[in-house]
Amino acid sequence: DIQMTQSPSSLSASVGDRVTITCRASQGISNYLAWYQQKPGKVPNLLIYAASTLQSGVPSRFSGSGSGTDFTLTISSLQPEDVAAYYCQNYNSAPLTFGGGTKVEIK
Amino acid sequence: EVQLVESGGGLVQPGGSLRLSCAASGFTFSRYWMSWVRQAPGKGLEWVANIKEDGSEKYYVDSVKGRFTISRDNAKNSLYLQMDSLRAEDTAVYYCARHWNSIFFFFDYWGQGTLVTVSS
Repeated sequence: DIQMTQSPSSLSASVGDRVTITCRASQGISNYLAWYQQKPGKVPNLLIYAASTLQSGVPSRFSGSGSGTDFTLTISSLQPEDVAAYYCQNYNSAPLTFGGGTKVEIK
Repeated sequence: EVQLVESGGGLVQPGGSLRLSCAASGFTFSRYWMSWVRQAPGKGLEWVANIKEDGSEKYYVDSVKGRFTISRDNAKNSLYLQMDSLRAEDTAVYYCARHWNSIFFFFDYWGQGTLVTVSS
């Protein structure tokens, strides 16, 4: 199975800060990586797929990059509504696997 | 508008069974792979099982193989998860989720979830 490791597990940043979350796969997954945002008490929401393609309706301050084993989700200017847990997901091969999540808070 | 509505969760004793349902609307259900994804209280997401458009292929995470069965009824636009021999570690919110397409297995729509609690 492909293990997905996210870092950090949590972070606190100020409004307007640039925030970066990393996701590492235990083996190469090309660009078969998705990112989800889950706000407190809510359902996961697709942000990015194919490592860097923004889902329709997602604000442009979100971006993704990477290929192979190392991936990054960046929020260019953190907003209060971005408080959430963020998860990466491998869909290169079964079983589908998620990273452990990164909780983003406002400082 | 795509909608996925889960039902069937509840409190069950260890070793017991439960059947979850997911009613789909707003899209052609029979053209999509579907999955169940779970989230234990305060924890991350875990994919549980998925099923091909016509039900001919099914896949499971190792921890539920032999205990859970995914199925679908395309005439009723419904997805199911039969859960047997339940354990405390199966306690979670169970989400029904739609795959983007038959090639790329990420999730573009999620239901609101149904809570399953396994406890004596």
